[in-house]
Amino acid sequence: AQRVTQPEKLLSVFKGAPVELKCNYSYSGSPELFWYVQYSRQRLQLLLRHISRESIKGFTADLNKGETSFHLKKPFAQEEDSAMYYCALRAMFSGGYNKLIFGAGTRLAVHP
Amino acid sequence: KAGVTQTPRYLIKTRGQQVTLSCSPISGHRSVSWYQQTPGQGLQFLFEYFSETQRNKGNFPGRFSGRQFSNSRSEMNVSTLELGDSALYLCASSSLPWETQYFGPGTRLLVL
Repeated sequence: AQRVTQPEKLLSVFKGAPVELKCNYSYSGSPELFWYVQYSRQRLQLLLRHISRESIKGFTADLNKGETSFHLKKPFAQEEDSAMYYCALRAMFSGGYNKLIFGAGTRLAVHP
Repeated sequence: KAGVTQTPRYLIKTRGQQVTLSCSPISGHRSVSWYQQTPGQGLQFLFEYFSETQRNKGNFPGRFSGRQFSNSRSEMNVSTLELGDSALYLCASSSLPWETQYFGPGTRLLVL
């Protein structure tokens, strides 16, 4: 079964501390993974997709197929990083059909 | 480009009624997906439309339906509303079904 697990509901850190938001997935095919972020009172927006290997707002994520993980990292957290973060897996089906499967989300709170 | 728009933004209905929600994708995007977001179940896939055809459907009862028009705009309909249908309904568009999805602000539905 396809599944995305974000084990932490809340991650609380101080400004300047490193951040790691965990994401594990279960998928039998070749995974395509994303991180979406939702700031307070704003829409869900794409932060990263693993195939682009970009660094956005200082965040990076590496796909580890051996550990089936796609953890989101930032070396120095900023207060403006406080938001809800969702890890998502694109599950593909025969015929090119696909859907995004989301984890439950992790709320990141960065304190001054 | 303007982002994904959804109307109405807020809706209050009573049990047994039906509701229609609307989504206008980003200009040029032909694929629209719908998701339900609740505190208990998180983000769950409802359906995906491309070129006016429903290509994929999530695990929701038949009371949930949708359609896509020739201009790529999409509507979803929920009939015989139940209290548990109270949720934030998100629409996402992409240029093609396998491309990155961009989300709208959502329609918050409250069923009394």
